[in-house]
Amino acid sequence: AQSVTQLGSHVSVSEGALVLLRCNYSSSVPPYLFWYVQYPNQGLQLLLKYTSAATLVKGINGFEAEFKKSETSFHLTKPSAHMSDAAEYFCAVTPFSGGYNKLIFGAGTRLAVHP
Amino acid sequence: DAMVIQNPRYQVTQFGKPVTLSCSQTLNHNVMYWYQQKSSQAPKLLFHYYDKDFNNEADTPDNFQSRRPNTSFCFLDIRSPGLGDAAMYLCATSRVGSGSGANVLTFGAGSRLTVL
Repeated sequence: AQSVTQLGSHVSVSEGALVLLRCNYSSSVPPYLFWYVQYPNQGLQLLLKYTSAATLVKGINGFEAEFKKSETSFHLTKPSAHMSDAAEYFCAVTPFSGGYNKLIFGAGTRLAVHP
Repeated sequence: DAMVIQNPRYQVTQFGKPVTLSCSQTLNHNVMYWYQQKSSQAPKLLFHYYDKDFNNEADTPDNFQSRRPNTSFCFLDIRSPGLGDAAMYLCATSRVGSGSGANVLTFGAGSRLTVL
């Protein structure tokens, strides 16, 4: 079975500071991993995905994540936070099955950015 | 732009009064999903269609039903909404296959259900 744990339900950073959102996964088979962002009263928007190619994945809005198999982690980072990055972030996992994906989401991390 | 459209964005219903939420897509994706997201929680998969094949999650209550009359549309029916069904309902689609966009979920903006 697959699962995702996001450490820290709330993270607060200053504008311009490093953003680090933590995600650890559990999977009995090679996983696909995703980060999604959700703004208030909106759906989920894909930030980036890992699908067994390069371990360092670059996404939209300056975010990136590194797949570390030895640590079963897929942490999301951004060098410099903007006010517009304030949102809820979800890490998700699905087994690589060669077919369609049923995403399993983590509980989410709410990112606050203050001036 | 190709996208996933959910209607209505906001739905208010009374306890026990049936409600239907709709989802349409112009992506021609063969899989459509319905997720339930309660306040400050992760989205939880209710069921999905792979083409015409319906797949229910084991813990989805019988109160929730779905229809997919064609590739483009999928409906979520809540037969007798209870207070605990108040949530955001998210529709998503994906394309099975290869290529950079395959097997990645695209979400609609969601339908927020309030039960009085």
